[in-house]
Order: sequence, then structure tokens, then C-alpha cells
Amino acid sequence: NAGVTQTPKFRVLKTGQSMTLLCAQDMNHEYMYWYRQDPGMGLRLIHYSVGEGTTAKGEVPDGYNVSRLKKQNFLLGLESAAPSQTSVYFCASRSDRGPDQPQHFGDGTRLSIL
Amino acid sequence: GDSVTQMEGPVTLSEEAFLTINCTYTATGYPSLFWYVQYPGEGLQLLLKATKADDKGSNKGFEATYRKETTSFHLEKGSVQVSDSAVYFCALSYSSASKIIFGSGTRLSIRP
Repeated sequence: NAGVTQTPKFRVLKTGQSMTLLCAQDMNHEYMYWYRQDPGMGLRLIHYSVGEGTTAKGEVPDGYNVSRLKKQNFLLGLESAAPSQTSVYFCASRSDRGPDQPQHFGDGTRLSIL
Repeated sequence: GDSVTQMEGPVTLSEEAFLTINCTYTATGYPSLFWYVQYPGEGLQLLLKATKADDKGSNKGFEATYRKETTSFHLEKGSVQVSDSAVYFCALSYSSASKIIFGSGTRLSIRP
């Protein structure tokens, strides 16, 4: 049972570089999410998707773009990385079968921007 | 708006001590309530949940009861172990919304 898989696990970028973080889930979930978690802080929602082909902004969407071309994949892009985007990024997925359905999280991508 | 408030950490206890982590929520309807745990270097995992008033969720010796009258969902464990050291998040969700609202997290450290 793979669950939610994030790639890469670690990455170091220089300011201004671009990259894409990949999230894949094998549970046929409709909902997918991208969060960032900074040291000593909780989760902040960046973007989310309620189904294939849909995306929506969360609390902190600036500087990020997302795409959900396939139901099982949710991509997070940084077009021009900034040091303020140094963080741990978590992807999650969730069934749409009811409010009692929990989110399932990946193990995170640790991203450093120099 | 809807929100979740957790006690601030860090919480430091000795092994075998009794644990309570407070969680209260503000909601306009009848949400489902969750506790998640995050071990060092990992993502969040569901610890337990409750879907209606007076329900008790339990797992791995942890318990929490959905208290509608006090809008609370406090996490308890009778005897903590070093392996319980982690960050704990309280959260709520509605049937009408796709998002889950998380509290800010409480870091728990257990001394041997």
C-alpha cells in the first residue's frame, strides 16, 4: 500500500530557479492538497483540488502554481524560487465520501532555497 | 469563521505520566473531529476521530470525546511512553466542505 507518494524527498535550489514537486496517490481519492510547514509552525494550505482538472487557492497561494491533469497526480510548481519558500511541503489526499473521511499525508519534501 | 484552538506547547512529561492536550473548536454546524500525530521527519497520520456528539475516538491508548456542550475534543492518555513524543494536531471537517481545518499543533516530549 503506497498511499501518498511525494517526489523528490529533498531538494536544494538557487534563488530564481524553478521546479515541480510531484504527488501521487493510489487510493482513488477525489480531493488533494498541498501544504507547507515551517519550523515551529502548523500547516498552511497552499492550493487544493476537488477533482481531476480542478484547482483552488488556499491560504498562501502566492508564488506557487498547481495542476491536476490526472486524478491520481497533483503537481506543485515554483516558477521562480525565493528563500521565503524554504519549507517542508506536504501533499495529502482525501475521499469525498463524507466529513468523517481523514486526510492521508505523504512523508514530505524538504526544500531549501539558497 | 470556523477554527480550532490547541494548547500551546511544548509539553514535557515523564514516562508513565497522564497526558491531556486541550482542543476547542468554533463551528457553525456539526463537524467531524480528528486528532493527527506527526512523528519526527514524517507526515501526519490519523490518530483517532469522532463524528458526532458524545462519540469517543480511541487508538493506541489515546482517547478523545466529542463534547458539543463545551465545543471540545481533548486528547488524553493514561500512561505516556517515550515513543509518544511527537507533534499532535486537532482538526475538524464538514460534509459541505472539502477542506479540513487544523489547529496549530502541540509538541509533546516524553522524558525517560
